[in-house]
Amino acid sequence: DAGVTQSPTHLIKTRGQQVTLRCSPKSGHDTVSWYQQALGQGPQFIFQYYEEEERQRGNFPDRFSGHQFPNYSSELNVNALLLGDSALYLCASSIRTGKGYTFGSGTRLTVV
Amino acid sequence: QQPVQSPQAVILREGEDAVINCSSSKALYSVHWYRQKHGEAPVFLMILLKGGEQKGHEKISASFNEKKQQSSLYLTASQLSYSGTYFCGTGMTGNQFYFGTGTSLTVIP
Repeated sequence: DAGVTQSPTHLIKTRGQQVTLRCSPKSGHDTVSWYQQALGQGPQFIFQYYEEEERQRGNFPDRFSGHQFPNYSSELNVNALLLGDSALYLCASSIRTGKGYTFGSGTRLTVV
Repeated sequence: QQPVQSPQAVILREGEDAVINCSSSKALYSVHWYRQKHGEAPVFLMILLKGGEQKGHEKISASFNEKKQQSSLYLTASQLSYSGTYFCGTGMTGNQFYFGTGTSLTVIP
């Protein structure tokens, strides 16, 4: 049973560019959440998608946007990249009723 | 909104016990506990949904005091494999979910 799959694993972008990260949830999970984890810090909640809609959002600017597709997979888009956006981006899937999150291995984004 | 964990770091010898605390300034609906090893994704340990609920996972257990908006993770007879950073995660109304500040646990022989 495949867990949560994220792509790509690593990415280097230039300041000002745009990036799209992808996530396929664990089989049977319908909810996808995205987190940003800076080095040495805990994951910070970006937003959560359920039924193709953004249900909750953390304290992140509008440059961060997302999408969920009918097959429950999800994308995270970040526009106008800043150096401070460099981090590990984690996708976590769950069942709506909340039985714990399964995390993907993450996408390491470096903005130069 | 981010829960605060204590201690920030702890070093144990194999076989010793530890307690990690998690406190929130907001009312909690649920508490999750995760362990993250260096360079890896967080791994789910357990979830507590009711106030006063205690759950166990091998020699790792947790309690949830809804009134005090706190949870504690208990690690008994620690093993080398317990090393990592432990995060509590707190669910609040509206399905918002926030991770705590983290506790680095190192178990040495």
